[in-house]
Amino acid sequence: DAKTTQPPSMDCAEGRAANLPCNHSTISGNEYVYWYRQIHSQGPQYIIHGLKNNETNEMASLIITEDRKSSTLILPHATLRDTAVYYCIVHNAGNNRKLIWGLGTSLAVNP
Amino acid sequence: KAGVTQTPRYLIKTRGQQVTLSCSPISGHRSVSWYQQTPGQGLQFLFEYFSETQRNKGNFPGRFSGRQFSNSRSEMNVSTLELGDSALYLCASSTGIGGGEAFFGQGTRLTVV
Repeated sequence: DAKTTQPPSMDCAEGRAANLPCNHSTISGNEYVYWYRQIHSQGPQYIIHGLKNNETNEMASLIITEDRKSSTLILPHATLRDTAVYYCIVHNAGNNRKLIWGLGTSLAVNP
Repeated sequence: KAGVTQTPRYLIKTRGQQVTLSCSPISGHRSVSWYQQTPGQGLQFLFEYFSETQRNKGNFPGRFSGRQFSNSRSEMNVSTLELGDSALYLCASSTGIGGGEAFFGQGTRLTVV
């Protein structure tokens, strides 16, 4: 079973920030938080990952709480092309384990 | 650098037939994972190959099998197709086993009639 909990759907106005929450209260100390998104009928796309510190790249920012039990993916200026299902995954690559996917959050960016 | 390539993109098969799907990973990536995605089920892990050896396996029946070649290209095979095998089959490549940063292909949409 997935070790994360995400809201099934969210809406966001185009041009505004989209803040996607994820709960991972049972995360272990050596597990990273990964975010992917899947645009309709395409393969998932890696967005960002982090362990403890906040991370930012050209796509998004990842904010992880100090206790690491939850995180938020931030798309600073959402566009219509950001409409997708967003998946939050906790993963310890060091154990050679597979990624375990939940159902994600379906984000609709509205004009 | 070319991305992950899956062929074919679409496939229609009849119950009882068998099917082979192909995946070419990103150059230099040695790990290939396969997933099945159906509506409402999310991505279900099938198996992972690294250096031509299966390293991880999901909870799928033996009708689902795979292999990896020396050039890291991978194939998966489903025998005795059932209607429930209709799904999007996704392949992902990464540099190492169980890598969290995986690169996915566009998938093969299999319809079993």
